[in-house]
Amino acid sequence: KAGVTQTPRYLIKTRGQQVTLSCSPISGHRSVSWYQQTPGQGLQFLFEYFSETQRNKGNFPGRFSGRQFSNSRSEMNVSTLELGDSALYLCASSLVAGIVSGNTIYFGEGSWLTVV
Amino acid sequence: SQQGEEDPQALSIQEGENATMNCSYKTSINNLQWYRQNSGRGLVHLILIRSNEREKHSGRLRVTLDTSKKSSSLLITASRAADTASYFCATGGTDKLIFGTGTRLQVFP
Repeated sequence: KAGVTQTPRYLIKTRGQQVTLSCSPISGHRSVSWYQQTPGQGLQFLFEYFSETQRNKGNFPGRFSGRQFSNSRSEMNVSTLELGDSALYLCASSLVAGIVSGNTIYFGEGSWLTVV
Repeated sequence: SQQGEEDPQALSIQEGENATMNCSYKTSINNLQWYRQNSGRGLVHLILIRSNEREKHSGRLRVTLDTSKKSSSLLITASRAADTASYFCATGGTDKLIFGTGTRLQVFP
């Protein structure tokens, strides 16, 4: 079956603009999480959604937001972009929410965001 | 913040050799997962080991977990050039994955 799909794969934005990234989870998965990967900070958790509700949020400013739709697809939005937001944004999906014993989390290919 | 620290940060070996990567973490966990990332690509899930398991195998991969030492190791046997990638451990507490710093593996043909 199809894996986690993220769009767009690459994009360039200007400081001050906003961006929306999209994620389609594996069919049947109801939990979607977002991570930011940068060379300096590594992989950092942004937020998790389950059944259209945000369950958990990482330590990021309010400019970072997300939502989940009834079909489990998710979007994340970053407003007022800063140069430091340049990163690989990874979406992950899993059957159930949170970290439970056998809950494998699958990642997409990511969206490369460059802010100039 | 990153919970896991991986060791070594970089590893270079010849094809056919074994590669061992270690991961240490700080808090109690429900499970530990290993991922591979090829340059500029997404994370590929390799193996999950539950906190009540000590060892797990998947093909050429062998993972061990020592919860008393808060550490795990990933062994790749008979490595291939295609194994060249970064490898991350990710620990699951209750709510989110916390990733280690990663080990960059280079396998020379």
